[in-house]
Amino acid sequence: AQKITQTQPGMFVQEKEAVTLDCTYDTSDPSYGLFWYKQPSSGEMIFLIYQGSYDQQNATEGRYSLNFQKARKSANLVISASQLGDSAMYFCAMREELAGGTSYGKLTFGQGTILTVHP
Amino acid sequence: DTAVSQTPKYLVTQMGNDKSIKCEQNLGHDTMYWYKQDSKKFLKIMFSYNNKELIINETVPNRFSPKSPDKAHLNLHINSLELGDSAVYFCASSTRTAKNIQYFGAGTRLSVL
Repeated sequence: AQKITQTQPGMFVQEKEAVTLDCTYDTSDPSYGLFWYKQPSSGEMIFLIYQGSYDQQNATEGRYSLNFQKARKSANLVISASQLGDSAMYFCAMREELAGGTSYGKLTFGQGTILTVHP
Repeated sequence: DTAVSQTPKYLVTQMGNDKSIKCEQNLGHDTMYWYKQDSKKFLKIMFSYNNKELIINETVPNRFSPKSPDKAHLNLHINSLELGDSAVYFCASSTRTAKNIQYFGAGTRLSVL
């Protein structure tokens, strides 16, 4: 079963507007971490934002915020005031804790969403 | 200074050859990973090492052999390359904190002809 689902293969947004990229996940582990990465056309993977399953508040990092709805198992990325440089592929990922509370760090990725920012 | 560096960035080789990809991190992390990104951009973990000890091996053919001489280095050696090995290979590193954020290298694009 797909553990991380990104249902939007592509999204378009006008420069300076906000955009939400969807991510849903599936886990029975009570302790997990959720991540968003950006992959521009140059190919590198850039860490954007992290949300822990026990965090009470939604994570924010500059123009990025994570809309974490635990009961719905969703972790949507919100980019405010889009810039042309935000055009890239965005990946949602999850890290589950293994039994015994030891995290081995394995990230499971979604399929990615290609974001295009129009001037 | 590049935090996680991989060499080479591009690798073009013939089927059947043996090749290596090197990875080094200067972040002081104790855990390193190899991921494979296929032609559809899907990323999947291959291996993980913590303090030079293998802790994740995700059903990868034994033609792939990771080697970690120290916790700052994790190299990937591939024997008898096949067409299906063509992909982008990413190295990443992290430290075992609660967040355990993984930082990625720039990737190595491997093309097997």
